[in-house]
Amino acid sequence: EIVLTQSPATLSLSPGERATLSCRASQSVSSYLAWYQQKPGQAPRLLIYDASNRATGIPARFSGSGSGTDFTLTISSLEPEDFAVYYCQQRSNWPPVITFGQGTRLEIK
Amino acid sequence: EVQLVESGGGLVQPGGSLRLSCAASGFTFSSYWMSWVRQAPGKGLEWVANIKQDGSEKYYVDSVKGRFTISRDNAKNSLYLQMNSLRAEDTAVYYCARGGVAVAADYFDYWGQGTLVTVSS
Repeated sequence: EIVLTQSPATLSLSPGERATLSCRASQSVSSYLAWYQQKPGQAPRLLIYDASNRATGIPARFSGSGSGTDFTLTISSLEPEDFAVYYCQQRSNWPPVITFGQGTRLEIK
Repeated sequence: EVQLVESGGGLVQPGGSLRLSCAASGFTFSSYWMSWVRQAPGKGLEWVANIKQDGSEKYYVDSVKGRFTISRDNAKNSLYLQMNSLRAEDTAVYYCARGGVAVAADYFDYWGQGTLVTVSS
């Protein structure tokens, strides 16, 4: 089973700053990695898929990079609405198992 | 507009059963893999199960195998999760999520708002 480890657990930043979130896989997932944003009381929202592709309607300040085992979600300049929990997710073709990281909480400093 | 609306959650005793439903609209339901994803209170996301477009393939996380059954009715644009032998650790918000069209394991581009299942005596 592929395990995804996200770091840091909590990130405290101010609006306007740059955020860098990390997701490390226990074995290679190629580029089959996504990022989601979840706000309190809401369902997750897909931000990035296949490591670096923004989902429909996602602002350009969100970008993803990486391949293999190390991935990064970058938010170039934080807006007030970006403070939330972020999850990475991998998909494996066989067995067709889907796993999530434990999440990174991005909070206002 | 794509919509996924879950129902059927509630309080159930350990060992009991519950059936969740998800009503889909705004897209061709029969063209997509569909999944259930859950989130225990204050915890992260856990994929539970998914089902192929025609229902011929189903996959489950190990912790629910033999207890949960995913199914769908394309004529009714509906997804279901039959949960038996429920345990306290099954307590969570259960989300219905749309997968892809080509592969079993994919990303989730639309989610419902979730339904809360509480397993407690």
